[in-house]
Amino acid sequence: EVQLVESGGNLVQPGESLRLSCAASGFTFSSYSMNWVRQAPGKGLEWVSYISSSRSSTIYYADSVKGRFTISRDDAKNSLYLQMNSLRAEDTAVYYCARNPTGIFGIPRYYFDYWGQGSLVTVSS
Amino acid sequence: DIQMTQSPSTLSASVGDRVTITCRASQSISRWLAWYQQKPGTAPKLLLSKASTLESGVPSRFSGSGSGTEFTLTISSLQPDDFATYYCQQYNSYPFTFGPGTKVDIK
Repeated sequence: EVQLVESGGNLVQPGESLRLSCAASGFTFSSYSMNWVRQAPGKGLEWVSYISSSRSSTIYYADSVKGRFTISRDDAKNSLYLQMNSLRAEDTAVYYCARNPTGIFGIPRYYFDYWGQGSLVTVSS
Repeated sequence: DIQMTQSPSTLSASVGDRVTITCRASQSISRWLAWYQQKPGTAPKLLLSKASTLESGVPSRFSGSGSGTEFTLTISSLQPDDFATYYCQQYNSYPFTFGPGTKVDIK
């Protein structure tokens, strides 16, 4: 069974940093590209960042977090991370890690077939 | 960036009703569209990909259609478990964008 479990969410002050983790199980983590998607309270979904499987080295960020957030992965630990620096009030959200399925020849499809339960990040003074 | 819109934003319906949600893209995305269902306090659940491909385990009362810039999600006979918010998402190009959501509530 595919499982994604996020952790690391907390209440922080503006300007501070936080690192989210996502522990994956039930599939060959290294073969899949992964993402962070967030949802502000009472709002819709916003894709945040993408990291390819380790076969290629592709990373994307939403403009809203570019230069402040860093996505990474440790395939030996089956884990995905999001380092969030210079946090702002508008970064307050539930952060989900989400997997991209793979298509023919292992090419990722850029939608999300499995999601974690989410980790709440609150940025407030 | 490709902008996604959905209509209506809220839909009130009864059990047994046929429900249609429309999703529009600001430019052509071919058929690279997914639909998700989200219930309060839970993660989104993938319903369909490539505009009309039903995911494993999703009831057949859900269907999708469309291509280019206009897409629809149809629930043929609304069930109590279907009251939720529905999001479309384009995956034609980065950044991968979602529609604002359509909340289906009880009439």
